[in-house]
Amino acid sequence: QKEVEQDPGPLSVPEGAIVSLNCTYSNSAFQYFMWYRQYSRKGPELLMYTYSSGNKEDGRFTAQVDKSSKYISLFIRDSQPSDSATYLCAMSNEKLTFGTGTRLTIIP
Amino acid sequence: EADIYQTPRYLVIGTGKKITLECSQTMGHDKMYWYQQDPGMELHLIHYSYGVNSTEKGDLSSESTVSRIRTEHFPLTLESARPSHTSQYLCASTRMGNTEAFFGQGTRLTVV
Repeated sequence: QKEVEQDPGPLSVPEGAIVSLNCTYSNSAFQYFMWYRQYSRKGPELLMYTYSSGNKEDGRFTAQVDKSSKYISLFIRDSQPSDSATYLCAMSNEKLTFGTGTRLTIIP
Repeated sequence: EADIYQTPRYLVIGTGKKITLECSQTMGHDKMYWYQQDPGMELHLIHYSYGVNSTEKGDLSSESTVSRIRTEHFPLTLESARPSHTSQYLCASTRMGNTEAFFGQGTRLTVV
C-alpha cells in the first residue's frame, strides 16, 4: 500500500464549478501538506502549503487538512479553463512523498 | 518565483553518449532531489542530497549518478545513454525540515 493515495482521474468539470481534489495518507508522522499544480511539459508549481489541521484559503483555492482522518483536500472555486492541469498532493516529515496526481480538465 | 534552474530544457542524443543534466538553485536550500517522470505519469524519486558531499539513491532504481560538491549545484550524469532513459527529469530543492519543495522546469531527454 502506498503511503499517499490520490485518485488519478481524469476529472472533467464545467467552467465555474467547484472542484474537490483529495488525498489520503497512512503515515501519521507527516507534518507538512502541500498541493502542486503541473501543466503539461512543465515542472510542478507549489500552490498551497499548510502544516496544521483546518482550512487555508488563497484566492479561489482552499486547502483542507484533517489529520484525525488522514485526509487532505484542495477546493477550487469558480473554476477556469486555465485551471486545467494535473494536481499533485505532497506530504513530508523527514521525507517528501507525492501522490500520483489528478488530471483535471475545466470545460468552457 | 522559484530560483531553481535546469539545463538543457530539451535534449536529443544518441545511444551510448555521456550526458550531464544541470540543476542549480540560488535559495541556499540544503536538500535537493531528482525525479523522473514519464508523460502523464507520477513522479519517481531517483536521487536526493541533504547537503554537500551527501547523495542517496531514491525509490526508483536508476543508472544515473549525482554529485553535490557545492550547495547550489546538483548535476545528474548518465555515462551511457539508452532509449530506456528517455523521460522528463525534474530537479527540486527544499530547506532543511522538508517544507515547501520548489521545482525546476525539467529536462526532457530523448535518447535515439
